[in-house]
Amino acid sequence: RKEVEQDPGPFNVPEGATVAFNCTYSNSASQSFFWYRQDCRKEPKLLMSVYSSGNEDGRFTAQLNRASQYISLLIRDSKLSDSATYLCVVMGGFKTIFGAGTRLFVKA
Amino acid sequence: EAGVVQSPRYKIIEKKQPVAFWCNPISGHNTLYWYLQNLGQGPELLIRYENEEAVDDSQLPKDRFSAERLKGVDSTLKIQPAELGDSAVYLCASSPSDGDNEQFFGPGTRLTVL
Repeated sequence: RKEVEQDPGPFNVPEGATVAFNCTYSNSASQSFFWYRQDCRKEPKLLMSVYSSGNEDGRFTAQLNRASQYISLLIRDSKLSDSATYLCVVMGGFKTIFGAGTRLFVKA
Repeated sequence: EAGVVQSPRYKIIEKKQPVAFWCNPISGHNTLYWYLQNLGQGPELLIRYENEEAVDDSQLPKDRFSAERLKGVDSTLKIQPAELGDSAVYLCASSPSDGDNEQFFGPGTRLTVL
């Protein structure tokens, strides 16, 4: 079993749709969690950090469930420009583990 | 402010040849990471530096890979000899302080081993 697992997708959704991604992790001692966005042939960029209390940034909401060891990302009112790969990242004890990424295609 | 700089951007070599990648992190960033990314996969950590100290190199294949960050600023990653399976994008990232913070990535070096 991989230490960090994501549904690879792809998710194909129409503009305006709501889409949710989950990411599970195996190390219960993990301390920090993030979502990164990666466009095709570009480097990853931070989308948002994930806090225990959950956090929201515009159309994006991230949540952490430590008991079940997963993090989630919700995108509301999808835009064409949201098409990308979304990577979850789990950190702790100098370890950094990226998920394989979930591909999202938003179509007109 | 300049971002993370990597060179070269592309490199094509024949197997068994050596290759080196260079990274200059964002000024003031103490933490530096080297990752390998294969197509359709997430980045895989090779080594993490805090200043000049390698705090995690457990995933670095030490028989052929080496890295250094002698003055705690820029860093080089070397492969000798390269194998066909080393073809990938090598990403460098930096973050401003110790701990688990946002990482800023460079554009990467795309390596092709023939």
